[in-house]
Amino acid sequence: DTAVSQTPKYLVTQMGNDKSIKCEQNLGHDTMYWYKQDSKKFLKIMFSYNNKELIINETVPNRFSPKSPDKAHLNLHINSLELGDSAVYFCASSRTRRQETQYFGPGTRLLVL
Amino acid sequence: DAKTTQPPSMDCAEGRAANLPCNHSTISGNEYVYWYRQIHSQGPQYIIHGLKNNETNEMASLIITEDRKSSTLILPHATLRDTAVYYCTNSGGGADGLTFGKGTHLIIQP
Repeated sequence: DTAVSQTPKYLVTQMGNDKSIKCEQNLGHDTMYWYKQDSKKFLKIMFSYNNKELIINETVPNRFSPKSPDKAHLNLHINSLELGDSAVYFCASSRTRRQETQYFGPGTRLLVL
Repeated sequence: DAKTTQPPSMDCAEGRAANLPCNHSTISGNEYVYWYRQIHSQGPQYIIHGLKNNETNEMASLIITEDRKSSTLILPHATLRDTAVYYCTNSGGGADGLTFGKGTHLIIQP
């Protein structure tokens, strides 16, 4: 009964390819997020969606495009992958968009060769 | 950039209390202090949060100083499974997202 799930867990691909990461939460939460954790282990917010509506879009290259088909899903599509995109990407959710506990997925480890 | 300062690493003997400090001197009046931990290769896990008062739950206790510029996370009886990187943050949370610094790598020694 995983609360926040992500697929795939590992993703190895060549530079220039396009890839997607999927995220699903079964907690009934309104707000979902994408975070990037780099090799130095800093965790930074990329996007935030509330009820399928984009709330936050941090300074992220427009090669990254989130899509929320419904409240329970937030997918991340990445075009023209670059070496610097290699990182661990975490999806998270919270009950509402106010200050709430966030629940994280297990992460997707992306390696761009 | 992270708005908190934590020691990079700490050791604690199994069964003892682990006390993890955090400085958040720029915290604003409406920001909560959140603690998360990340066990190797897993996603961050929520531990506890507080605004002004000390808090306790089944995982830990949180002591916040009166001026709110620092806090201490207490794991009362540390086990080997508590070995992880512990992050404190006073980000706005919610839809603003969380910002984590480098955290404290807590190693529980048998």
